[in-house]
Formats: sequence, structure tokens, C-alpha cells
Amino acid sequence: EVQLVESGGGLVQPGRSLRLSCAASGFTFDDYTMHWVRQAPGKGLEWVSGISWDSFSMSYADSVKGRFTISRDNAKNSLYLQMNSLRPEDTAFYYCTVTVAPGLFDPWGQGTLVTVSS
Amino acid sequence: QSALTQPASVSGSPGQSITISCTGTSSDVGTYNLVSWYQQLPGKAPKLIIYEASKRPSGVSNRFSGSKSGNTASLTISGLQAEDEADYYCCSYAGSSIYVFGTGTKVTVL
Repeated sequence: EVQLVESGGGLVQPGRSLRLSCAASGFTFDDYTMHWVRQAPGKGLEWVSGISWDSFSMSYADSVKGRFTISRDNAKNSLYLQMNSLRPEDTAFYYCTVTVAPGLFDPWGQGTLVTVSS
Repeated sequence: QSALTQPASVSGSPGQSITISCTGTSSDVGTYNLVSWYQQLPGKAPKLIIYEASKRPSGVSNRFSGSKSGNTASLTISGLQAEDEADYYCCSYAGSSIYVFGTGTKVTVL
């Protein structure tokens, strides 16, 4: 069974940093592009960032470019999101997901909540 | 990277069919057939229900169907059931490894 389990969320002050992790199992992790998608409480989905299987290609939404860094460790079947200079508008559930084929995300983790507040 | 436009809400009676539109631009929906749809039940993670605009993953009910014309994609739910009450999101590839989601539609079964 494919499983994605996010961790690392929590309450953080504006301007501080946080690192999210996603542990993957049940599939060949290093075959696929991975992504982070977020959802502010009560709001819609927003694609945040993606990383190719070999870490050669990384992409970011304009809203996080220059502040967030995506990375992966294929030996540990893990995906990461380093979030710096956090803002209140970054408050959201952060989901880890897989592009098993171009243009689709499946499956998704259960999400981890990041709250940016003083 | 502007969000794709969806109606905020759509409702229908059990057994009816409803259609949710997803309007983008010539930079995303209009250029790529890589449009997907997700169902999100309250408190749950999104679930893929349509990919490549009109393909249905294994295990997804055939009451869900998708189409695309120009800059607009559509999701149709036929034979509406109470269990279909959820939020629905479209998503399109926008080139350069960038993706954009729709604004989301709340489906209510009357």
C-alpha cells in the first residue's frame, strides 16, 4: 500500500523557519517526481513546489519562490520542504503528493498543519 | 500563476446530473491536456477522480466524467448521490514544471 506521511508542522512566529518532512513507502520512491500542495484553513488548494526524481529539476509557486526550498533523499524515501521567512499567509495544511504520471497527483498524504502567528 | 476559475457552489437533487466548469487560459488548460480533478471530503486529503481531462482512475465511479474544450475543462457527475457531497478542484499543468489549481467548487446534494 502506498503511504505518504507528513511531519514537522506546528506553530511558528513570522520570519522564522520550519522544515517539513514526508516519509514515503509502498512504491519505488526514486522513480517519481514529488510535490508539496497546501491548503489554508477553509480555503482552496495551492500547488507549492515540485522536485524531479533525480533532484535535477525543482519548481516553485511565485508565492514561495526564494523563501522555500524543496529537496529529497532517495536513500531515505523522504521528501522535504525547508520554509524560511515564514509569513502569516503561509498558514495552511501542507500535503505531500506524487506525480505518478504527468499532470496528476496521486496519492496524497494526510497533511501537516503549519501555523504562522506571533 | 492565477488560479483556474470554478463556480463557488453547485447543487442538485439525487439522481440528477451536474457539471462543474474550470476556466483557465491559453497558457494552461488551453495548451495542455493535463487537466485533473480532485474530490475532497470534509477533513480528508484530496482524491484523484479524473486525469488527462477525461480519463478515470481504476476504482473511481463511472458517474464521474470529464471533458475539455479550449480554455475550459468540465467535470460532470451523473446520478448524483449523497456521498458525492464534497469540494471539487480542477488542476492544470502550466508549463515549466508548474501546476495551477482551480478555486474549488462545493457540491451540495439537495
